[in-house]
Amino acid sequence: EAQVTQNPRYLITVTGKKLTVTCSQNMNHEYMSWYRQDPGLGLRQIYYSMNVEVTDKGDVPEGYKVSRKEKRNFPLILESPSPNQTSLYFCASSPRASGGAVADTQYFGPGTRLTVL
Amino acid sequence: SQKIEQNSEALNIQEGKTATLTCNYTNYSPAYLQWYRQDPGRGPVFLLLIRENEKEKRKERLKVTFDTTLKQSLFHITASQPADSATYLCALDNQGGKLIFGQGTELSVKP
Repeated sequence: EAQVTQNPRYLITVTGKKLTVTCSQNMNHEYMSWYRQDPGLGLRQIYYSMNVEVTDKGDVPEGYKVSRKEKRNFPLILESPSPNQTSLYFCASSPRASGGAVADTQYFGPGTRLTVL
Repeated sequence: SQKIEQNSEALNIQEGKTATLTCNYTNYSPAYLQWYRQDPGRGPVFLLLIRENEKEKRKERLKVTFDTTLKQSLFHITASQPADSATYLCALDNQGGKLIFGQGTELSVKP
């Protein structure tokens, strides 16, 4: 089944404790992206990747890191989480080729609900 | 700065009627505009994409228009059903990988 998976689905942690949220897709998509969703602020892009070893900042990259060493995986790293990073996080992938070719469909993962105390 | 607005936080309509949702944007020249559906606690689901050189696109009961002069997209659901109740998001795509989402419009279709 074609899908985007995220782990963990729920996480409660404390300020300053490094964490990684994994994202994996089995559709051989070039493009992957991370978003956070907060009430009243909607869905905001954190980072995106057009292909392996290519990552770029979205609208809210502060406090986050990403890496794209393999096509299928795009982990989100919070080096020193803070309470304002408490949010619902979504990973997504799309068959978009490097160079800005057409993205016909963006597939979203089920979400990771993160609470930072 | 770039801004994208979806009209009204909630839209209530009667089953069978046409729902029309609006997406307006400023300070942006998107190559594409996308529409998604999101149910509570779930990830968004892609519905339609329309290119800047397309005026209208249809898929079953869905229709999207894109007016780059007015900087507006309209999303229509004809013959609406209670199962269409959800939050609908529009997103601007500049073809470079960066996407900007609107806050969404919550649609409620009453039987």
